[in-house]
Amino acid sequence: QVQLSESGGGVVQPGRSLRLSCAASGFTFSTYAMHWVRQAPGKGLEWVARISGEGGVMYNVDLAKGRFTISRDNSKNTHYLYMRSLRAEDTAVYHCAKGTFLGSGSFLDSWGQGTLVTVSS
Amino acid sequence: SYALTQPPSLSVAPGQTARITCGGNNIGSTSVNWYRQKPGQAPVLAVYDSSGRPSGIPERLSGSNSGNTATLTIDRVEAGDEADYYCQVWDSGLYWVFGGGTTLTVL
Repeated sequence: QVQLSESGGGVVQPGRSLRLSCAASGFTFSTYAMHWVRQAPGKGLEWVARISGEGGVMYNVDLAKGRFTISRDNSKNTHYLYMRSLRAEDTAVYHCAKGTFLGSGSFLDSWGQGTLVTVSS
Repeated sequence: SYALTQPPSLSVAPGQTARITCGGNNIGSTSVNWYRQKPGQAPVLAVYDSSGRPSGIPERLSGSNSGNTATLTIDRVEAGDEADYYCQVWDSGLYWVFGGGTTLTVL
């Protein structure tokens, strides 16, 4: 079955950078779009970014503001989120998720448990 | 971007029916998805394309969508249904938008 496992979270000082990874298994990775969704403590879900199987990217522009970069390595069944100039408001659990298109819609059919990023001095 | 509005909380007695709403401008013309997130766990897709049910999701959960409101209905509510529920749409092919979430409490 589909398994997604995030890593790379931790405590980081404001203004520093961090790279998250999401290792996938149980499906043909290169044929699916992959996403990052974050959840601040006690808050709701917030979509961050998406990368297609071929590498096309989309961002929540209001959130990423040019600070976040999503990428993937299909040979390693892994995708990444590089975050720079981190701020306290970036503190959240970051989930990776597998995307699916159906008709005119798109949904996230599998999720990882998430990795906690804490931005604090 | 497109805005989705959910009630923050809903309380239902065991055995009753819970209806969780998701409001949006002409949302009935859009494909809506629902996720269930139990405390400390990852979200799980509960309903896709407004009324589709993924394998492993109980038949007690169903979705509908019309006008300006999409609804997730949970029949014969059980203690195990306590969770946060989020609606989601794909806005203009650019953004994956989530509602603010509804916390379902089973009395």
